[in-house]
Amino acid sequence: NAGVTQTPKFQVLKTGQSMTLQCAQDMNHNSMYWYRQDPGMGLRLIYYSASEGTTDKGEVPNGYNVSRLNKREFSLRLESAAPSQTSVYFCASSITGTSGTDTQYFGPGTRLTVL
Amino acid sequence: AQSVTQPDIHITVSEGASLELRCNYSYGATPYLFWYVQSPGQGLQLLLKYFSGDTLVQGIKGFEAEFKRSQSSFNLRKPSVHWSDAAEYFCAVGNQGGKLIFGQGTELSVKP
Repeated sequence: NAGVTQTPKFQVLKTGQSMTLQCAQDMNHNSMYWYRQDPGMGLRLIYYSASEGTTDKGEVPNGYNVSRLNKREFSLRLESAAPSQTSVYFCASSITGTSGTDTQYFGPGTRLTVL
Repeated sequence: AQSVTQPDIHITVSEGASLELRCNYSYGATPYLFWYVQSPGQGLQLLLKYFSGDTLVQGIKGFEAEFKRSQSSFNLRKPSVHWSDAAEYFCAVGNQGGKLIFGQGTELSVKP
């Protein structure tokens, strides 16, 4: 039982390049999330998927797209990377996504640098 | 608007000393409150959560937190800190839709 896995762990991009961050969970959770973590700002929600087949914007969605490929996988795409997207990206999952009491389980993160 | 404030960006305590990390929230309804810990280079791990009942909540690794509605606070405590507790700690509030709003984080350093 690996929990939440993310690939890659590290990535360096040049401005304008595109890339996809991959996330998978093996806990049969319905909901999945993408956050970015920046110094002094905590974690901010980019996009989330309450259930397979649905996605919704979070607090900071601009410059990103997501795909809920199936119940296990939720990818985050940067179409044209900008230096402002340099950050650590975390994927998380929770069992229902509709209850405020749900625990979210986090992956180890992807450290992205955009030059 | 919902928000979470952690007033202390960085705290240093001596090993064996007690610890209290502060968290204040703004939320209209009954809050669901969480504390997560992030060790260097790692993801976040749940320490404890509160959503009803006893206002003193016990968590993993010897941590506890107390919900005080009158002060809109959910402070994290530990009676005796170990060197392995050095990490960043995040307070969060969960809304009815299942999303979390995080505070800015408090970095804990432990002196030998």
